[in-house]
Amino acid sequence: GENVEQHPSTLSVQEGDSAVIKCTYSDSASNYFPWYKQELGKRPQLIIDIRSNVGEKKDQRIAVTLNKTAKHFSLHITETQPEDSAVYFCAASSGQAGTALIFGKGTTLSVSS
Amino acid sequence: GAVVSQHPSWVICKSGTSVKIECRSLDFQATTMFWYRQFPKQSLMLMATSNEGSKATYEQGVEKDKFLINHASLTLSTLTVTSAHPEDSSFYICSALAGGFYEQYFGPGTRLTVT
Repeated sequence: GENVEQHPSTLSVQEGDSAVIKCTYSDSASNYFPWYKQELGKRPQLIIDIRSNVGEKKDQRIAVTLNKTAKHFSLHITETQPEDSAVYFCAASSGQAGTALIFGKGTTLSVSS
Repeated sequence: GAVVSQHPSWVICKSGTSVKIECRSLDFQATTMFWYRQFPKQSLMLMATSNEGSKATYEQGVEKDKFLINHASLTLSTLTVTSAHPEDSSFYICSALAGGFYEQYFGPGTRLTVT
């Protein structure tokens, strides 16, 4: 089955800096890669996702890149703000639509002002 | 749109009792629902996948007799934790998927504490 590795486990940046979180996946059949932000005690919130037919996707300060050959994808947050502080999870879904998501272990991002 | 609710949001029960958690898709029909468990400071671990009208598919290591899942309609799935023990205390989150789409919509979670 699918296995998703996520690094780093913790990341501390200064406000205004960029943050990068990286994930690798094992199943070459995976074709959907969402990123979630989760605040303590709340549900995961989708912040951006990418399908395997696209190499990069951007939404304002957030971007995701995908390298299918290397089986890794990354989350890039620019101009970080204190409210970006949270736990971020990458996930991968293999096979057809309707397949479960397998999550990475999460990255705790702390943005200090 | 795409709202998923869970009930209850938190529950405390005594060891040995059973607890039912409901997951509802409020404004769409969910062909598939998933149940995840999240321990403190850990990731979401998939417990089972349920499709409306059929038996749930459980992940390896998840006891199907302990975690009973029923997906009786396109808008409701239930998870019953039977004979709960303190080690079952966790944050249980469901997600729902509309047919043919990739994005999953998560419920707000249920905090279960077994004393």
